[in-house]
Amino acid sequence: EDKVVQSPLSLVVHEGDTVTLNCSYEVTNFRSLLWYKQEKKAPTFLFMLTSSGIEKKSGRLSSILDKKELFSILNITATQTGDSAIYLCAVGNSGAGSYQLTFGKGTKLSVIP
Amino acid sequence: TAGITQAPTSQILAAGRSMTLRCTQDMRHNAMYWYRQDLGLGLRLIHYSNTAGTTGKGEVPDGYSVSRANTDDFPLTLASAVPSQTSVYFCASSQGAGRGETQYFGPGTRLLVL
Repeated sequence: EDKVVQSPLSLVVHEGDTVTLNCSYEVTNFRSLLWYKQEKKAPTFLFMLTSSGIEKKSGRLSSILDKKELFSILNITATQTGDSAIYLCAVGNSGAGSYQLTFGKGTKLSVIP
Repeated sequence: TAGITQAPTSQILAAGRSMTLRCTQDMRHNAMYWYRQDLGLGLRLIHYSNTAGTTGKGEVPDGYSVSRANTDDFPLTLASAVPSQTSVYFCASSQGAGRGETQYFGPGTRLLVL
Protein backbone atom coordinates (compact mmCIF):
# COMPACT_ATOMS: atom_id res chain seq x y z
CA GLU A 1 0.00 0.00 0.00
CA ASP A 2 1.31 3.44 -0.93
CA LYS A 3 2.25 5.63 2.01
CA VAL A 4 3.15 9.30 2.43
CA VAL A 5 4.28 10.55 5.84
CA GLN A 6 4.72 14.21 6.67
CA SER A 7 6.50 15.67 9.66
CA PRO A 8 6.05 17.50 11.85
CA LEU A 9 2.25 17.38 12.04
CA SER A 10 2.19 20.94 13.35
CA LEU A 11 4.67 23.72 13.85
CA VAL A 12 4.52 27.19 15.42
CA VAL A 13 7.18 29.73 14.50
CA HIS A 14 7.75 33.47 14.72
CA GLU A 15 7.74 35.76 11.73
CA GLY A 16 11.16 35.81 10.10
CA ASP A 17 12.04 32.24 11.05
CA THR A 18 13.03 29.62 8.48
CA VAL A 19 11.13 26.33 8.48
CA THR A 20 11.70 22.94 6.89
CA LEU A 21 8.80 20.58 6.27
CA ASN A 22 9.46 16.92 5.60
CA CYS A 23 7.77 14.33 3.42
CA SER A 24 8.80 10.69 3.12
CA TYR A 25 7.11 8.14 0.92
CA GLU A 26 6.78 4.51 -0.09
CA VAL A 27 5.08 4.33 -3.47
CA THR A 28 5.16 1.82 -6.28
CA ASN A 29 5.57 3.21 -9.80
CA PHE A 30 6.65 6.66 -8.59
CA ARG A 31 6.02 9.44 -11.10
CA SER A 32 6.20 12.73 -9.20
CA LEU A 33 5.95 14.46 -5.83
CA LEU A 34 3.77 17.53 -5.38
CA TRP A 35 3.47 20.14 -2.65
CA TYR A 36 0.25 22.04 -2.01
CA LYS A 37 -0.70 24.86 0.35
CA GLN A 38 -4.17 24.76 1.92
CA GLU A 39 -5.52 27.79 3.71
CA LYS A 40 -9.24 27.96 4.31
CA LYS A 41 -10.50 26.14 1.27
CA ALA A 42 -8.98 24.29 -1.66
CA PRO A 43 -5.36 23.13 -1.83
CA THR A 44 -3.34 25.33 -4.17
CA PHE A 45 -0.41 23.95 -6.12
CA LEU A 46 3.14 24.93 -5.15
CA PHE A 47 5.65 22.56 -6.77
CA MET A 48 5.95 19.35 -8.70
CA LEU A 49 9.23 17.43 -8.46
CA THR A 50 10.24 14.54 -10.64
CA SER A 51 14.05 14.48 -10.55
CA SER A 52 16.41 14.06 -7.62
CA GLY A 53 18.61 16.91 -6.50
CA ILE A 54 17.05 19.65 -8.62
CA GLU A 55 15.73 22.46 -6.44
CA LYS A 56 12.49 24.14 -7.36
CA LYS A 57 12.16 27.70 -6.09
CA SER A 58 9.39 30.27 -5.93
CA GLY A 59 10.11 33.39 -3.92
CA ARG A 60 10.78 32.37 -0.32
CA LEU A 61 9.69 28.76 -0.93
CA SER A 62 11.92 26.02 -2.25
CA SER A 63 11.74 22.26 -2.46
CA ILE A 64 13.98 19.36 -3.36
CA LEU A 65 13.49 15.64 -3.91
CA ASP A 66 15.73 12.70 -3.01
CA LYS A 67 14.54 9.64 -4.91
CA LYS A 68 17.20 7.40 -3.40
CA GLU A 69 16.20 8.12 0.20
CA LEU A 70 12.52 8.60 -0.76
CA PHE A 71 11.87 12.01 0.74
CA SER A 72 11.35 15.65 -0.06
CA ILE A 73 11.66 18.84 1.93
CA LEU A 74 9.86 22.15 1.59
CA ASN A 75 11.74 25.17 2.91
CA ILE A 76 10.20 28.52 3.71
CA THR A 77 12.59 31.36 4.55
CA ALA A 78 11.72 34.65 6.30
CA THR A 79 8.27 33.35 7.20
CA GLN A 80 5.29 35.70 7.23
CA THR A 81 1.87 35.38 8.86
CA GLY A 82 0.45 34.74 5.40
CA ASP A 83 2.43 31.51 5.27
CA SER A 84 0.15 30.07 7.97
CA ALA A 85 -1.57 27.11 6.35
CA ILE A 86 -1.60 23.35 6.05
CA TYR A 87 1.09 22.13 3.67
CA LEU A 88 0.25 18.92 1.86
CA CYS A 89 2.66 16.53 0.21
CA ALA A 90 1.33 14.15 -2.44
CA VAL A 91 3.04 11.46 -4.44
CA GLY A 92 1.90 10.51 -7.90
CA ASN A 93 2.03 6.93 -9.08
CA SER A 94 0.98 5.26 -12.27
CA GLY A 95 -0.55 1.86 -12.53
CA ALA A 96 -3.24 0.13 -14.55
CA GLY A 97 -3.20 3.00 -17.05
CA SER A 98 -4.11 5.70 -14.55
CA TYR A 99 -2.24 8.32 -12.57
CA GLN A 100 -3.22 8.94 -8.96
CA LEU A 101 -2.04 11.02 -6.03
CA THR A 102 -1.58 9.70 -2.52
CA PHE A 103 -1.60 12.49 0.06
CA GLY A 104 0.09 12.80 3.40
CA LYS A 105 -1.88 14.12 6.37
CA GLY A 106 -0.26 17.53 6.11
CA THR A 107 1.82 19.85 8.29
CA LYS A 108 -0.05 22.69 9.95
CA LEU A 109 2.20 25.75 10.06
CA SER A 110 1.32 28.69 12.27
CA VAL A 111 3.39 31.86 11.95
CA ILE A 112 2.94 34.31 14.81
CA PRO A 113 3.94 37.97 14.68
CA THR B 1 -11.67 31.43 -16.54
CA ALA B 2 -13.43 29.89 -13.53
CA GLY B 3 -11.25 26.76 -13.38
CA ILE B 4 -13.22 24.29 -11.32
CA THR B 5 -16.57 25.05 -9.75
CA GLN B 6 -18.42 22.91 -7.21
CA ALA B 7 -21.99 23.07 -6.00
CA PRO B 8 -23.40 23.34 -3.47
CA THR B 9 -20.91 25.12 -1.19
CA SER B 10 -22.39 23.37 1.81
CA GLN B 11 -25.31 21.10 2.59
CA ILE B 12 -27.05 19.49 5.53
CA LEU B 13 -28.56 16.15 4.54
CA ALA B 14 -30.75 13.71 6.43
CA ALA B 15 -29.41 10.18 6.65
CA GLY B 16 -30.93 7.93 4.02
CA ARG B 17 -31.44 10.73 1.51
CA SER B 18 -29.63 10.90 -1.80
CA MET B 19 -27.59 13.79 -3.07
CA THR B 20 -25.46 14.72 -6.06
CA LEU B 21 -22.43 16.95 -5.67
CA ARG B 22 -21.68 18.81 -8.87
CA CYS B 23 -18.28 19.55 -10.35
CA THR B 24 -17.55 21.41 -13.59
CA GLN B 25 -14.20 22.42 -15.09
CA ASP B 26 -13.56 24.73 -18.03
CA MET B 27 -9.90 23.86 -18.62
CA ARG B 28 -10.61 20.97 -21.03
CA HIS B 29 -8.73 18.66 -18.68
CA ASN B 30 -8.98 14.96 -19.46
CA ALA B 31 -8.74 13.62 -15.92
CA MET B 32 -11.00 14.41 -12.98
CA TYR B 33 -11.05 13.25 -9.37
CA TRP B 34 -13.18 13.28 -6.24
CA TYR B 35 -11.58 13.40 -2.79
CA ARG B 36 -12.91 13.61 0.72
CA GLN B 37 -10.97 15.39 3.45
CA ASP B 38 -11.42 14.42 7.08
CA LEU B 39 -9.58 15.65 10.16
CA GLY B 40 -6.65 13.41 10.92
CA LEU B 41 -7.05 11.38 7.73
CA GLY B 42 -6.07 13.87 5.05
CA LEU B 43 -7.31 13.77 1.47
CA ARG B 44 -8.51 10.39 0.24
CA LEU B 45 -9.46 9.53 -3.33
CA ILE B 46 -13.05 8.37 -3.84
CA HIS B 47 -13.35 7.97 -7.62
CA TYR B 48 -11.52 9.20 -10.66
CA SER B 49 -11.98 9.48 -14.41
CA ASN B 50 -9.05 9.46 -16.83
CA THR B 51 -11.19 10.64 -19.74
CA ALA B 52 -14.82 11.18 -20.66
CA GLY B 53 -16.73 7.90 -20.64
CA THR B 54 -14.44 6.12 -18.16
CA THR B 55 -14.37 6.00 -14.37
CA GLY B 56 -12.42 4.13 -11.72
CA LYS B 57 -12.50 3.46 -7.99
CA GLY B 58 -10.15 5.14 -5.57
CA GLU B 59 -9.26 4.35 -1.98
CA VAL B 60 -12.72 4.91 -0.44
CA PRO B 61 -15.41 4.33 -3.13
CA ASP B 62 -18.11 2.58 -1.08
CA GLY B 63 -21.37 4.51 -0.88
CA TYR B 64 -20.47 6.78 -3.81
CA SER B 65 -20.98 6.65 -7.55
CA VAL B 66 -19.79 8.86 -10.39
CA SER B 67 -20.39 9.37 -14.09
CA ARG B 68 -18.43 11.17 -16.80
CA ALA B 69 -20.75 11.84 -19.71
CA ASN B 70 -18.60 14.68 -21.08
CA THR B 71 -15.21 16.33 -20.51
CA ASP B 72 -16.41 19.15 -18.29
CA ASP B 73 -18.70 17.54 -15.70
CA PHE B 74 -18.00 14.91 -13.06
CA PRO B 75 -20.90 14.55 -10.59
CA LEU B 76 -20.59 12.53 -7.39
CA THR B 77 -23.73 10.82 -6.08
CA LEU B 78 -24.48 9.55 -2.60
CA ALA B 79 -27.37 7.13 -3.08
CA SER B 80 -28.30 6.80 0.60
CA ALA B 81 -26.27 9.07 2.84
CA VAL B 82 -24.88 7.93 6.19
CA PRO B 83 -23.35 10.07 8.97
CA SER B 84 -19.85 8.74 8.22
CA GLN B 85 -20.08 10.55 4.89
CA THR B 86 -19.94 13.87 6.72
CA SER B 87 -16.85 15.45 5.22
CA VAL B 88 -15.47 18.13 2.94
CA TYR B 89 -15.51 16.98 -0.68
CA PHE B 90 -13.05 18.30 -3.24
CA CYS B 91 -13.17 17.84 -6.97
CA ALA B 92 -9.91 18.12 -8.91
CA SER B 93 -8.76 17.91 -12.50
CA SER B 94 -5.55 17.48 -14.47
CA GLN B 95 -4.57 17.39 -18.10
CA GLY B 96 -3.99 13.66 -17.76
CA ALA B 97 -1.19 11.16 -17.36
CA GLY B 98 1.70 11.82 -19.72
CA ARG B 99 0.51 15.35 -20.55
CA GLY B 100 0.20 17.17 -17.25
CA GLU B 101 -0.14 15.53 -13.91
CA THR B 102 -0.62 18.49 -11.60
CA GLN B 103 -4.09 18.35 -10.10
CA TYR B 104 -6.04 21.57 -9.56
CA PHE B 105 -8.75 21.66 -6.94
CA GLY B 106 -12.21 23.14 -6.73
CA PRO B 107 -13.36 25.13 -3.69
CA GLY B 108 -15.00 22.16 -1.99
CA THR B 109 -18.43 21.15 -0.69
CA ARG B 110 -18.95 20.83 3.03
CA LEU B 111 -21.49 18.07 3.75
CA LEU B 112 -23.10 17.26 7.08
CA VAL B 113 -25.18 14.08 7.26
CA LEU B 114 -27.46 13.85 10.28
